[in-house]
Amino acid sequence: KQEVTQIPAALSVPEGENLVLNCSFTDSAIYNLQWFRQDPGKGLTSLLLIQSSQREQTSGRLNASLDKSSGRSTLYIAASQPGDSATYLCAVSGNKLVFGAGTILRVKS
Amino acid sequence: GAGVSQTPSNKVTEKGKYVELRCDPISGHTALYWYRQSLGQGPEFLIYFQGTGAADDSGLPNDRFFAVRPEGSVSTLKIQRTERGDSAVYLCASSQKTPQYQETQYFGPGTRLLVL
Repeated sequence: KQEVTQIPAALSVPEGENLVLNCSFTDSAIYNLQWFRQDPGKGLTSLLLIQSSQREQTSGRLNASLDKSSGRSTLYIAASQPGDSATYLCAVSGNKLVFGAGTILRVKS
Repeated sequence: GAGVSQTPSNKVTEKGKYVELRCDPISGHTALYWYRQSLGQGPEFLIYFQGTGAADDSGLPNDRFFAVRPEGSVSTLKIQRTERGDSAVYLCASSQKTPQYQETQYFGPGTRLLVL
């Protein structure tokens, strides 16, 4: 059974810092890995999707990496802003998405 | 529509009652998913439809939960004899193709269910 773990559970940083969120998964037989953002009381917004054959994806200040063999992914956020405050969820896709519990990020101005 | 919509946005019911939650996927998306999210947790898979048929219902917790998608578009998640433990946010998502095509899933805002 696939299990996804995200570390840290919560993170508070001052504005402008670069930061890394970690995700690990137990079964490397995945189609892809996705990072989502969830704002309080809202649904999920897809940030980045890394296909199983890829090693990283970039979008603006976000960069996500994937190491299938070790079962790990990282989400790098450069020059963090208060508007980045949200919960970040990692999910791996076999025939269905399996999510981690998320990292709650707070960027202080 | 522009995105996935879900109704109602909030639902309060009493223990033992029956509830229906509705999901309108993005037009043209053949795959539809239901997830349940408890406070402080990530979403948990419930059921996946490809067209009208349930391709994977392994996440449904018990036989009180049932979902349909009769015309391959709108889906309804039905919960019988609700229990307090059913309280959660129920999320719906859709994608153009099957998971193997590595398409991203687009999520609706969710229905917040509270069972008193």
